[in-house]
Amino acid sequence: GAGVSQSPRYKVAKRGQDVALRCDPISGHVSLFWYQQALGQGPEFLTYFQNEAQLDKSGLPSDRFFAERPEGSVSTLKIQRTQQEDSAVYLCASSLAGGGRTQYFGPGTRLLVL
Amino acid sequence: SQKIEQNSEALNIQEGKTATLTCNYTNYSPAYLQWYRQDPGRGPVFLLLIRENEKEKRKERLKVTFDTTLKQSLFHITASQPADSATYLCALADNAGNNRKLIWGLGTSLAVNP
Repeated sequence: GAGVSQSPRYKVAKRGQDVALRCDPISGHVSLFWYQQALGQGPEFLTYFQNEAQLDKSGLPSDRFFAERPEGSVSTLKIQRTQQEDSAVYLCASSLAGGGRTQYFGPGTRLLVL
Repeated sequence: SQKIEQNSEALNIQEGKTATLTCNYTNYSPAYLQWYRQDPGRGPVFLLLIRENEKEKRKERLKVTFDTTLKQSLFHITASQPADSATYLCALADNAGNNRKLIWGLGTSLAVNP
């Protein structure tokens, strides 16, 4: 079956521009996670949804970052007024149930802010 | 402070040998620990999960051990193949916190030479 998909795969933004990153989780997966991964680092947790409810947003680095999952399936991570330090790979993962067990990752969106 | 550490240097081994990767943690009480594989330009792929009350888990050529006294997990790949070359990440779910959130190590790069 289809895995987790993310779009765009690559995004170049000018500093100050707003960007929106999309995640399509595996159908039926209740939980959805967003991570940020800098080069040579492990993923860093950003936020977690269970269905449409955002249960944990403790990892969002600033109020410029906003995530939503209005119908409990597709999710969008929005970054306003991008800064150079936002350059990273943004990974989305989904899992069948809450509890952070097996997570299925998408390929990521590589964001470069110039 | 809390941290997860993996072998910082890349591991180079000869095909057919056993690769052993280390994950040490400090000031966490893991409910479980997971190992993932990540190839360049792709998201992590789940390999194995081991719970706090388990000592060892196997899957085909893979073996994970978990020692909560030493605060360490070891990940072994036996009869290694060049196709095993990748970065391997450990991630734990902390009992003390929100165990939906995985906390990740930096990863260890493995190269298996033919």
